[in-house]
Amino acid sequence: GQQVMQIPQYQHVQEGEDFTTYCNSSTTLSNIQWYKQRPGGHPVFLIQLVKSGEVKKQKRLTFQFGEAKKNSSLHITATQTTDVGTYFCAALNSNDYKLSFGAGTTVTVRA
Amino acid sequence: DVKVTQSSRYLVKRTGEKVFLECVQDMDHENMFWYRQDPGLGLRLIYFSYDVKMKEKGDIPEGYSVSREKKERFSLILESASTNQTSMYLCASSSSTGLGSVDQPQHFGDGTRLSIL
Repeated sequence: GQQVMQIPQYQHVQEGEDFTTYCNSSTTLSNIQWYKQRPGGHPVFLIQLVKSGEVKKQKRLTFQFGEAKKNSSLHITATQTTDVGTYFCAALNSNDYKLSFGAGTTVTVRA
Repeated sequence: DVKVTQSSRYLVKRTGEKVFLECVQDMDHENMFWYRQDPGLGLRLIYFSYDVKMKEKGDIPEGYSVSREKKERFSLILESASTNQTSMYLCASSSSTGLGSVDQPQHFGDGTRLSIL
């Protein structure tokens, strides 16, 4: 079955620095979604990527879908304390159209 | 704005009890989901329903059943609760572009933290 790996599992970032989290699939994807879960909260949808090589931006967040549609990345510039939380990718398998969540990247920020 | 409401934020039950977790959504979504969330394991799908009375097993259905008698309500049932079912349970809903399709964003409830003693 499909495996979705997110790396790193934990990311400790100095406020103001940039970082990237990655989502890798063993199979080709139809689309990929990103969610953010604040501490004590529930996952909230951020964005969906559908096209090969697609890049979308939301303020300081840049989302990219790989050319082969097997991986995705989330890059955050100038990290702020409001970026604290766990970021999940959810990958839709193009073969069986099943959706699988990654284990998440938990981000902490040092002020 | 989509609202997904789970009946309890915290719940404590005893081993062997039958436990019901309720979820209601107000956006007329076709799809509803039950996940459990455990540290380091992310969100694991227990069951998925794409229509009233229709359901599909997810990745970890053992020990659970579901009921969807009305479109807006999706119930998760622990037939005989065990300590390894202590977890955070999240309900979600989404619209559908086709029967059974799960390609649309999901909207989550606040979760039920269930402890089985």
